[in-house]
Amino acid sequence: QLQLQESGPGLVKPSETLSLTCTVSGVSISSSNYYWGWIRQPPGKGLEWIGSIYYSGTTYYNPSLKSRLTISVDTSKNQFSLKLSSVTAADTAVYYCARGLEVYDYWGQGTLVTVSS
Amino acid sequence: EIVMTQSPDTLSVSPGERATLSCRASQSVTSNLAWYQQRPGQAPRLLIYGASTRATGIPARFSGSGSGTEFTLTISSLQSEDFAVYYCQQYNDWLPITFGQGTRLEIK
Repeated sequence: QLQLQESGPGLVKPSETLSLTCTVSGVSISSSNYYWGWIRQPPGKGLEWIGSIYYSGTTYYNPSLKSRLTISVDTSKNQFSLKLSSVTAADTAVYYCARGLEVYDYWGQGTLVTVSS
Repeated sequence: EIVMTQSPDTLSVSPGERATLSCRASQSVTSNLAWYQQRPGQAPRLLIYGASTRATGIPARFSGSGSGTEFTLTISSLQSEDFAVYYCQQYNDWLPITFGQGTRLEIK
């Protein structure tokens, strides 16, 4: 059974870098023909697509975040990661990792990241 | 960027009745549209993709229709577990993929 699990700090200071990791179990990232992505949801609000990555390293980023965003993959650990730099309070959200590029069919439970000093 | 607008923001329906949710795109997305359900405290769940294809394990009471700029999600006979927030999402233009603001389906 495919499962995804987000991990990382729940509190990040303004202007610092938000870093999250998604651990995938039940399937090998490098042997599956899927992209792996990140979506976020500010408290009480809707969903925002962040970006996706293929095991080869090919990435697609939301243009609104591209200048601050890095998504990477570590096939040896079956993980992919998100780094978002220069964060502000507007980056406070539940961050989800999920499988897909166009549609997302498996999701992690989500992790709340609060940006505050 | 393609803007997705859902209506209504909140829909009140009695259990056992039919619910119809709408989604409009600011420009054509052909049939590259998905619907998700999000229950409180949970991650979104994929219901429909390709505008009308049910995802694996989704009950037949969920159906999607439309193409171009107008789409509909219909739930034929509401069960208690169906009361949730529903999002549409376009993937015709990947950069960026965009979601609607959501429709909250509540018990009448």
